[in-house]
Amino acid sequence: QVQLVQSGAEVKKPGASVKVSCKTSGYSFTDYYIHWVRQAPGQGLDWMGIFNPSGGGTTYAHNFKGRITMTWDSSTTTVFMELSSLKFEDTAVYYCARGGTYAPATHWGQGTLVTVSS
Amino acid sequence: QSVLTQPPSVSGAPGQKVTISCTGGTSNIGAGYEVNWYQQVPGRAPQVLISRDNNRPSGVPDRFSGSKSGSSASLAITGLQAEDEAEYYCQSYDTSLSGWVFGGGTKVTVL
Repeated sequence: QVQLVQSGAEVKKPGASVKVSCKTSGYSFTDYYIHWVRQAPGQGLDWMGIFNPSGGGTTYAHNFKGRITMTWDSSTTTVFMELSSLKFEDTAVYYCARGGTYAPATHWGQGTLVTVSS
Repeated sequence: QSVLTQPPSVSGAPGQKVTISCTGGTSNIGAGYEVNWYQQVPGRAPQVLISRDNNRPSGVPDRFSGSKSGSSASLAITGLQAEDEAEYYCQSYDTSLSGWVFGGGTKVTVL
């Protein structure tokens, strides 16, 4: 079955970087895009960007450009999302999700809580 | 401020029908891009409820339905059940932003 398993919770100081992993399994890795979506405490869903495992192409949301990098390791079918220059307001649960450019995200990771605290 | 606008909350008694609106603009829903709906219960990841405007994935009860007209979309829940208490989000593609946009979410309360 399709699974997306994310790395564990992180606590970071302001100005630091965090790298969240999303290990995929149960399907052909290059056949589907991976989206990253975050959710601040008590808030709604915020789309961060999309990664194409077939070639490594990315599109980042305007709000995160310059601070976000999505990469992958095809040997382990894992996608990574790194966010730099962290601010207190980056405290959120970060989700990876399998979907398409227009097709919905049908499978989601369990979420990774990133806490930015001094 | 979300690109897609949803009411913060709707409520209804068990068995009733509730409708959640999702209003966009000419660069997203109005441009013909499809709308997807997600259900999220506290502490869990969202799950797709309606895809491509009005399609229910396997396993989603038929009391959930989606529609779209112009720059707006709607999610209807008929025969409301206690287990339908959750947050609901609409999502589409925006050509100006070259990516996904979400509504701010609607909390459904079963009275």
